[in-house]
Amino acid sequence: KQEVTQIPAALSVPEGENLVLNCSFTDSAIYNLQWFRQDPGKGLTSLLLIQSSQREQTSGRLNASLDKSSGRSTLYIAASQPGDSATYLCAVRLMDNFNKFYFGSGTKLNVKP
Amino acid sequence: NAGVTQTPKFQVLKTGQSMTLQCAQDMNHNSMYWYRQDPGMGLRLIYYSASEGTTDKGEVPNGYNVSRLNKREFSLRLESAAPSQTSVYFCASTRGQGQGGTQYFGPGTRLLVL
Repeated sequence: KQEVTQIPAALSVPEGENLVLNCSFTDSAIYNLQWFRQDPGKGLTSLLLIQSSQREQTSGRLNASLDKSSGRSTLYIAASQPGDSATYLCAVRLMDNFNKFYFGSGTKLNVKP
Repeated sequence: NAGVTQTPKFQVLKTGQSMTLQCAQDMNHNSMYWYRQDPGMGLRLIYYSASEGTTDKGEVPNGYNVSRLNKREFSLRLESAAPSQTSVYFCASTRGQGQGGTQYFGPGTRLLVL
């Protein structure tokens, strides 16, 4: 069974700092990996999706990387802003069952003004 | 284009009561999912429907039933609610197998079982 881990569980940084969120997974036979943002009391919003054949994806101040061999993905946020405060979750989709997504428990980010 | 919608937004039940959570998507997606989210445990898959007419168990199916009513709608039923089913329930959809595909989520239903 795929295990997805996100460390740290919570992170607090001052505004303007660059930061990295981590996601690790145990089964490297993944189809893709997706990063989500969740605001309090809301659903999940997709940020970036990386296919297994890709090494990274970028959207604005966000950059996600994927290293299947080591079972790791990172989400890099440049020049953090208070509006980035949210919980960030990663999810992996396996090659042998496209219909199952395995989620980490998330990293709760607080960006202080 | 509303995306994924869920009703109700919030519900309080007494132990033993039943209810159905409704989900609909207007993106012509083939696959739909029901998750529950509990503090510190991430999202856990309850049931999914890979395509219209099919449903399969996920990680935590006990105490739940689902119906894929048509391509747009996927409902989750609690036949006899228990306090352990207090959670936030999310419905999601994707285009479907072999099509890569971002997963889109509804806003959630917050359920409290007393």
